[in-house]
Amino acid sequence: ELKVEQNPLFLSMQEGKNYTIYCNYSTTSDRLYWYRQDPGKSLESLFVLLSNGAVKQEGRLMASLDTKARLSTLHITAAVHDLSATYFCAVEFTNAGKSTFGDGTTLTVKP
Amino acid sequence: GAVVSQHPSWVICKSGTSVKIECRSLDFQATTMFWYRQFPKQSLMLMATSNEGSKATYEQGVEKDKFLINHASLTLSTLTVTSAHPEDSSFYICSALAASGWETQYFGPGTRLLVL
Repeated sequence: ELKVEQNPLFLSMQEGKNYTIYCNYSTTSDRLYWYRQDPGKSLESLFVLLSNGAVKQEGRLMASLDTKARLSTLHITAAVHDLSATYFCAVEFTNAGKSTFGDGTTLTVKP
Repeated sequence: GAVVSQHPSWVICKSGTSVKIECRSLDFQATTMFWYRQFPKQSLMLMATSNEGSKATYEQGVEKDKFLINHASLTLSTLTVTSAHPEDSSFYICSALAASGWETQYFGPGTRLLVL
């Protein structure tokens, strides 16, 4: 079964703090994506990770991929209020031709 | 960057009517487009994969006669919700893959449908 599990589902944190969101998936994949969704809006692409050990960073967000553990992480450094949103990981499983989404992590950053 | 538009942005209709949603890739050609549905506070659920010039591939549990998909050109796919009912009210999002590669899906802004 093609499954993608994110945790936590909800996260409230203070500005300036660090935290990591985890994305586990069930079988081999070709690509893993991280997206951001603001309330009432569509998805914004953050990262695409293609290979084992891939690490990408944009501002206060850093994503990594461990294909052997079937795990990706999205690390938030020194959070600011503007990062408040729902973050989804999505996995393109091998030979599937489509992406399977996790349930999302809703992040609230408080001053 | 690649831009995908959807039209309309939101629509309110009466139960029993049909609603057409357009998804356009504005500055690139898309051989494949995806249609998703998202209920409040939930993740995206893939409804179907639309390939230009061929029939759409529907996910299990999605009625193809209710959700008609047409991908008539490399820049346009349409989703028609036929005989809409209140339970079809949702946020519908399309995405497009550039003809040159599979690396990134470009998402449209979404269409919010409310069926009264």
